[in-house]
Amino acid sequence: ILNVEQSPQSLHVQEGDSTNFTCSFPSSNFYALHWYRWETAKSPEALFVMTLNGDEKKKGRISATLNTKEGYSYLYIKGSQPEDSATYLCAFINAGNMLTFGGGTRLMVKP
Amino acid sequence: DAGVIQSPRHEVTEMGQEVTLRCKPISGHNSLFWYRQTMMRGLELLIYFNNNVPIDDSGMPEDRFSAKMPNASFSTLKIQPSEPRDSAVYFCASSRDRGLVEQYFGPGTRLTVT
Repeated sequence: ILNVEQSPQSLHVQEGDSTNFTCSFPSSNFYALHWYRWETAKSPEALFVMTLNGDEKKKGRISATLNTKEGYSYLYIKGSQPEDSATYLCAFINAGNMLTFGGGTRLMVKP
Repeated sequence: DAGVIQSPRHEVTEMGQEVTLRCKPISGHNSLFWYRQTMMRGLELLIYFNNNVPIDDSGMPEDRFSAKMPNASFSTLKIQPSEPRDSAVYFCASSRDRGLVEQYFGPGTRLTVT
């Protein structure tokens, strides 16, 4: 079992606030890192797939960075909206085909 | 495309019964994943197939669980005999590659074992 940790576990912010959270993973045998958005009563949906150290991805107000040497990825949301409320999951895949999801960060944005 | 299709969407069964969950991946995807979601353990990978071959089944909890992928368009996850602790949401996901592209998740099957 690979140690993939996300912090914080939950986050409450006001509409308009910008926020960020972290996914930590083993710094060896890196293959890929995925970010997913999971709304209550729905299925996870992919946000980003990151494969190279230094990768930066952006989709609208959401962006992510990747540091494979130190084993972390940040997800940023600029100007949070109530519809951003969801659980954000990262998944680490190593070169040996092992895939592990983090425990997720539950984001709640208050109007 | 209809996306990943799972059936049934809900299953309620009694302890000791056999349960079969079904998944149809997106056409053209060669990787298929079975996950279990519980409050205690979050989203856990149970087994992963690539080109219909099981690659990593280290997440399968015990011998009561088995999974097959007889062809590229169909997979089953079977629990026999089922126990109350197997109650969870089971997701199937597929992708065009094991890690370099995103996975597409099905709607899940909510299993309740009484």
